[in-house]
Amino acid sequence: AQSVTQLDSHVSVSEGTPVLLRCNYSSSYSPSLFWYVQHPNKGLQLLLKYTSAATLVKGINGFEAEFKKSETSFHLTKPSAHMSDAAEYFCALYSGGGADGLTFGKGTHLIIQP
Amino acid sequence: ETGVTQTPRHLVMGMTNKKSLKCEQHLGHNAMYWYKQSAKKPLELMFVYSLEERVENNSVPSRFSPECPNSSHLFLHLHTLQPEDSALYLCASSHSGGAVETQYFGPGTRLLVL
Repeated sequence: AQSVTQLDSHVSVSEGTPVLLRCNYSSSYSPSLFWYVQHPNKGLQLLLKYTSAATLVKGINGFEAEFKKSETSFHLTKPSAHMSDAAEYFCALYSGGGADGLTFGKGTHLIIQP
Repeated sequence: ETGVTQTPRHLVMGMTNKKSLKCEQHLGHNAMYWYKQSAKKPLELMFVYSLEERVENNSVPSRFSPECPNSSHLFLHLHTLQPEDSALYLCASSHSGGAVETQYFGPGTRLLVL
């Protein structure tokens, strides 16, 4: 069985401060991991993905994530938050085994304080 | 138009109605997906089509009936729905049936069942 746990349903940071959104996973296979962002009334947009290459993955808009197998984690970070980063963020997992869809976490709502 | 489009964007229907959701992708992909996004729950994969053949059906009730007439179009036919089926229905597409390929999402159809 596979699962994704996003440890915080809401995260609030001040503009210009670092962002950390946490994601842990469980998978029977070597996973591929994704972070998506969803702005209000919009579809999901891919921020970055890990597919067994470099463990530190850089994405769009200054986001990056580090795959840590020993901790089964794939946390998303950004050095300096911007007001436009306010959105819902989803961590997702693909581990093969015959299933072609993604397994998603419940999402983390990121709030940026001015 | 570019990307993945979905119509209608909003839909209100009674439990005895029949309606259809439409998804169209303009990305040259050959795999398409339906996901359900409910409040406080992770995105749930409903159906996967690869090369117009259904390859995944995650135990979705028969009141949801997908149709994929070609690689660019995907429909979700709805009949005798229940109020708990109210949700955001997201369509996605990718280059192949493998989810390691990036999935591109449409904006969704927000469905309310009365």
